[in-house]
Amino acid sequence: AQSVAQPEDQVNVAEGNPLTVKCTYSVSGNPYLFWYVQYPNRGLQFLLKYITGDNLVKGSYGFEAEFNKSQTSFHLKKPSALVSDSALYFCAVTVVYSSASKIIFGSGTRLSIRP
Amino acid sequence: AAGVIQSPRHLIKEKRETATLKCYPIPRHDTVYWYQQGPGQDPQFLISFYEKMQSDKGSIPDRFSAQQFSDYHSELNMSSLELGDSALYFCASSLSLQGRAAGANVLTFGAGSRLTVL
Repeated sequence: AQSVAQPEDQVNVAEGNPLTVKCTYSVSGNPYLFWYVQYPNRGLQFLLKYITGDNLVKGSYGFEAEFNKSQTSFHLKKPSALVSDSALYFCAVTVVYSSASKIIFGSGTRLSIRP
Repeated sequence: AAGVIQSPRHLIKEKRETATLKCYPIPRHDTVYWYQQGPGQDPQFLISFYEKMQSDKGSIPDRFSAQQFSDYHSELNMSSLELGDSALYFCASSLSLQGRAAGANVLTFGAGSRLTVL
């Protein structure tokens, strides 16, 4: 079954330090991987996606993610964290059927950046 | 730019009542998805529509139904409400790529409708 796992419920980082939010996946075939961010009382916002090509994907707000096929991982990274990055982050994988596609979310990781 | 519009933003109902949530997708988006997010939970896929036809079904209870109309807006109807239905309900839309490119669909989410069942 297609699935995505986020092993950390919470990640705490000091402002200015690099951050990593972990994600591993299990899919058959080529993976379509996404990161979404959710701010309080808001809907999910698309950050970045990996479909094919370069393993390092750059997205919104200075975030990037590295696709690692051998480790089946797609960790989200940022070189220097901001307090405004504090939010809930969801890794996701798309399941493609013959007539539709469905996105499956991980359990989410709460990122907290302290000043 | 126009976003996904959901209404109402907040809704309070009693047990066994009914509720209807509305979703207006981004113009020219042909696919609508409904997700349910309980407190501290990840979004759970309920149902999706492509070109006004149901395209996929997830963990949607039999008490719930949904449809997409000719103007592409969608409504989620919930009957015999239970306490456990209290959640944030998200609608998302996309302009669907077909075939092998379907996996690249990016969903744009609305701000959600918060349903509280008392």
